[in-house]
Amino acid sequence: DVVMTQSPLSLPVTPGEPASISCRSSQNLLHSDGNNYLDWYLQKPGQSPQLLIYLGFNRASGVPDRFSGSGSGTDFTLRISRVEAEDVGVYYCMQALYTPYTFGQGTKLEIK
Amino acid sequence: EVQLVESGGGLVQPGGSLRLSCAASGFTFSSYDMHWVRQATGKGLEWVSYVGTAGDTDYTGSVKGRFTISRDNAKNSLFLQMNNLRAEDTAVYYCAKEGPTGGDAFDIWGQGTVVTVSS
Repeated sequence: DVVMTQSPLSLPVTPGEPASISCRSSQNLLHSDGNNYLDWYLQKPGQSPQLLIYLGFNRASGVPDRFSGSGSGTDFTLRISRVEAEDVGVYYCMQALYTPYTFGQGTKLEIK
Repeated sequence: EVQLVESGGGLVQPGGSLRLSCAASGFTFSSYDMHWVRQATGKGLEWVSYVGTAGDTDYTGSVKGRFTISRDNAKNSLFLQMNNLRAEDTAVYYCAKEGPTGGDAFDIWGQGTVVTVSS
């Protein structure tokens, strides 16, 4: 199975400051169609996960533009340009190129 | 409104069975691949199973031979038949819809249904 490794696992951030989460895959997620099959999800406290970013860098509908995704192959990054209080929760990356699809361990973002 | 609503969870003894359901609304259910994802209490997300629009299926290794995913497009419903349940199957089970954007991302999730396997 593809192993997804996130860092850091805990991320305390001051509101208004930027934040960055790394996600590394044990296998190349670049498909022959030119897309990286890497998605980012946020699970807010007490809620179901919600899609933030798909195919590495595309924001899902309704996602604020302070969220951005980058990377290719095995190394990916989720960035939040200015963290807001509503961004707290656990962020997961997921690879969708190989089954079983696999998630990172999750990164818990908290407000300082 | 696009919505997924799971049901069928509960308490079951080891070795027992449960059938989860996911009712879809607000979109053309038959046009989208569907998935089950689970989350043990305090743990991360684990992909469980997939069913394509053509009825093709796939499973994570730990549930192969025990779980069966299916869909009824006429009833806009997704199912997960879980047999020979183990304590490690205890989790919140979410159904999720693949988005139209490609890349197999899950753009809509249900609220989850709780499965507890315990004697």
